[in-house]
Amino acid sequence: DTGVSQNPRHKITKRGQNVTFRCDPISEHNRLYWYRQTLGQGPEFLTYFQNEAQLEKSRLLSDRFSAERPKGSFSTLEIQRTEQGDSAMYLCASSRRNTEAFFGQGTRLTVV
Amino acid sequence: AQSVTQPDIHITVSEGASLELRCNYSYGATPYLFWYVQSPGQGLQLLLKYFSGDTLVQGIKGFEAEFKRSQSSFNLRKPSVHWSDAAEYFCAVGPSAGGSYIPTFGRGTSLIVHP
Repeated sequence: DTGVSQNPRHKITKRGQNVTFRCDPISEHNRLYWYRQTLGQGPEFLTYFQNEAQLEKSRLLSDRFSAERPKGSFSTLEIQRTEQGDSAMYLCASSRRNTEAFFGQGTRLTVV
Repeated sequence: AQSVTQPDIHITVSEGASLELRCNYSYGATPYLFWYVQSPGQGLQLLLKYFSGDTLVQGIKGFEAEFKRSQSSFNLRKPSVHWSDAAEYFCAVGPSAGGSYIPTFGRGTSLIVHP
């Protein structure tokens, strides 16, 4: 059990550019979650996968955001045409059915 | 919809003093409850969890929490705080069978420890 891995740890991008983050969950965890966390706030839910199926998306996930989990393994979160308001920590978590979620170290995005 | 309230944004304690962080939840079914800790720039680490059974649960680093259904609370406690406990603490509800699959978090309580 190597834990949830997220890459990159930090990303600085210019406004208007596209960025993609990767999450490798704990093997055999069928559930995968993406959260966004801004300073002084708790994690806010973005989207949820069960295996390869994206079952739920938050209203926070505008049409500039897209997430995939091909073959039910790793997941990617892409943000197109980044805005300064997208600056945040993006957290990935995985879990087995109805158990606790394990979090990665997060990807810190700064849009300049 | 499920929700979590952590009424204290900041808590300051002296090293060696006892600690209690408050958490209230709103949930339509039997809740699964969690406490996580986050150090600056890091992800969240699970401290303890409640699924069912004994309402007093023990976690890592000497933390414990008590589930009180009548008060919809799941407060975190530690008898003697160490300087290394300074961090952000998050209470969460879910996922659970019959309820939402999505863990929902409170806004967090920042713990400051004075020497």
